Amino acid sequence: DIQMTQSPSSLSASIGDRVTIACRASQDINTSLAWYHQHPGKAPKVLLYDTSRLQRGVPTRFSGSGSGTNFSLTITGLQTEDFATYHCQQYYGQPRTFGQGTKVEIK
Amino acid sequence: EVQLVESGGGLVKPGGSLKVSCKTSGILFKNAWMSWVRQAPGTGLQWVAHIKSQSDGGTTDYAASVKGRFTISRDDSQNTLYLEMSSLKTEDTAVYYCAADHVSFDDLFKKKEAWFDPWGQGTQVTVSS
Repeated sequence: DIQMTQSPSSLSASIGDRVTIACRASQDINTSLAWYHQHPGKAPKVLLYDTSRLQRGVPTRFSGSGSGTNFSLTITGLQTEDFATYHCQQYYGQPRTFGQGTKVEIK
Repeated sequence: EVQLVESGGGLVKPGGSLKVSCKTSGILFKNAWMSWVRQAPGTGLQWVAHIKSQSDGGTTDYAASVKGRFTISRDDSQNTLYLEMSSLKTEDTAVYYCAADHVSFDDLFKKKEAWFDPWGQGTQVTVSS
């Protein structure tokens, strides 16, 4: 199975900050990566797919980059509703696997 | 409005069985590839099982940790997805989400499952004596 490792596991930030979350794959996954956010007690929602393509309706303050084994999600201008847990997921190989999640908390 | 609504979760003893359902609306269910994804307490997400549409063969696939114990199925006439779980273990305790698979194409232009969207709200399954 392809292992996905996110860093950091958690971070504290303030409204308006620029935040970057990293996701590393244990083998080359090309650009077959999606990002989700999840609020407590709610289902995950996809933010980006194919590494950098924004899901319809997702604000442009979210952006993604990377290829191969190293990827990142950046939120430029953190908003209140962005305090959540973020998950990366690869769909290059089967089974599809997720990172362990990164919790973004209010400083 | 797109809705996926899971039901049927609950408390079951180790070794027991449970069947959870996911009623969908607002999606073309009979053409959809569907999955179950679970989230154990305080941990990340884990894909559990997948089923293709009947028009694509209706084939199923399972995570190694549940293969032989869980069965995914679908009733296209009811727009409903199921997950039948047997020989349950304490480590199966989790919130179980149903989700539609977004289908993409590989280098040989063969359909493959990709990201999950949309998701249901989840149903809690607790395996404990």
